[in-house]
Amino acid sequence: SQQGEEDPQALSIQEGENATMNCSYKTSINNLQWYRQNSGRGLVHLILIRSNEREKHSGRLRVTLDTSKKSSSLLITASRAADTASYFCATVKSGSARQLTFGSGTQLTVLP
Amino acid sequence: EADIYQTPRYLVIGTGKKITLECSQTMGHDKMYWYQQDPGMELHLIHYSYGVNSTEKGDLSSESTVSRIRTEHFPLTLESARPSHTSQYLCASSRKHALDTEAFFGQGTRLTVV
Repeated sequence: SQQGEEDPQALSIQEGENATMNCSYKTSINNLQWYRQNSGRGLVHLILIRSNEREKHSGRLRVTLDTSKKSSSLLITASRAADTASYFCATVKSGSARQLTFGSGTQLTVLP
Repeated sequence: EADIYQTPRYLVIGTGKKITLECSQTMGHDKMYWYQQDPGMELHLIHYSYGVNSTEKGDLSSESTVSRIRTEHFPLTLESARPSHTSQYLCASSRKHALDTEAFFGQGTRLTVV
């Protein structure tokens, strides 16, 4: 099964509202990353948080990481219609494999 | 914009045909990956490479094969395509030695086998 699972699977909000997406994972990690995917396109890296960090900000994005609960959240503030996309968390596991493993994604729709 | 390119973007072929999906990057990255993704679903790692002449199978069993003869090039081949291979295939690359490194993705190849 996948390392990460996002929650909710789909989220629909009005423009200007905040959007929160959650990610849970199973094994020890080196870091956790969030990516965005527009329909039918490749993924674009948004933000990376290391396992020894608890919170990170980038523009309208805020990411938290709780390694004791093996979970992370992505908050998008003041959402815009252009934020409509799928959002995936990805983890780099501790150890030698160091593969990037993706969760199932959250489909965010921001209504104008 | 990431300097990683996939061709073709869309491909419709008949069952039994041999196909090669191309992926090239100009960033000098050692690590390259192939992911398979059905519409609206999660990404599954099917192959990865840590450098020239290094290839490994990913978590999802795949009938495809890959090669890494040059750093910049990581083609994926299906010897005999079947309808079950219909999916989107995403190629990605990242730097090898840093743990804190993002992956850069190509635009994907959407394959339909009829």
